[in-house]
Amino acid sequence: EAQVTQNPRYLITVTGKKLTVTCSQNMNHEYMSWYRQDPGLGLRQIYYSMNVEVTDKGDVPEGYKVSRKEKRNFPLILESPSPNQTSLYFCASSIGAGSGAVSFGPGTRLTVL
Amino acid sequence: DAKTTQPPSMDCAEGRAANLPCNHSTISGNEYVYWYRQIHSQGPQYIIHGLKNNETNEMASLIITEDRKSSTLILPHATLRDTAVYYCIVKIGTSYGKLTFGQGTILTVHP
Repeated sequence: EAQVTQNPRYLITVTGKKLTVTCSQNMNHEYMSWYRQDPGLGLRQIYYSMNVEVTDKGDVPEGYKVSRKEKRNFPLILESPSPNQTSLYFCASSIGAGSGAVSFGPGTRLTVL
Repeated sequence: DAKTTQPPSMDCAEGRAANLPCNHSTISGNEYVYWYRQIHSQGPQYIIHGLKNNETNEMASLIITEDRKSSTLILPHATLRDTAVYYCIVKIGTSYGKLTFGQGTILTVHP
């Protein structure tokens, strides 16, 4: 089944403890991105990648890192999480940068205490 | 990308057609209209998109006015599972794949 998977789906952690949220897609998509969703603020893009080893900042990149060493994987790294990063995170992919038909993962609900 | 305006909420009876409007009066010639929905904190789901002509797929129909300043998403026979937030997004076809989500329309389908 064509899909975007994320792990973990739920995570509770403490301030400053480094964490990684993994994202993988099996559709051979070039374009991948991360969004966060917060009440009243909607979905906002954090980082995106147009291909392997090509990444760039989205609208809210502060406090996050990403890497794209393989086409299928696009992990989101929080090196020193803070409570304001408590949010619902979605990974997404599409066949190319020009395509608006984007596939989203199921989401990761992160709580930083 | 052009801004969109949608009603905050709508109701629909199960089995009836749900018609969700979207205003995008500042749309430019190379911008597509996309529709997504999000069911209760799940990942957004792509529904349909179009440029000028009306489009139909297994999920919905998209009607775009001739001047392209507004569009309507039609769910022909709404079910309870169609209860969701529906987002209308206008995006340049050649831009990178960032989607700008507004507040969307909360569609509630009643039995």
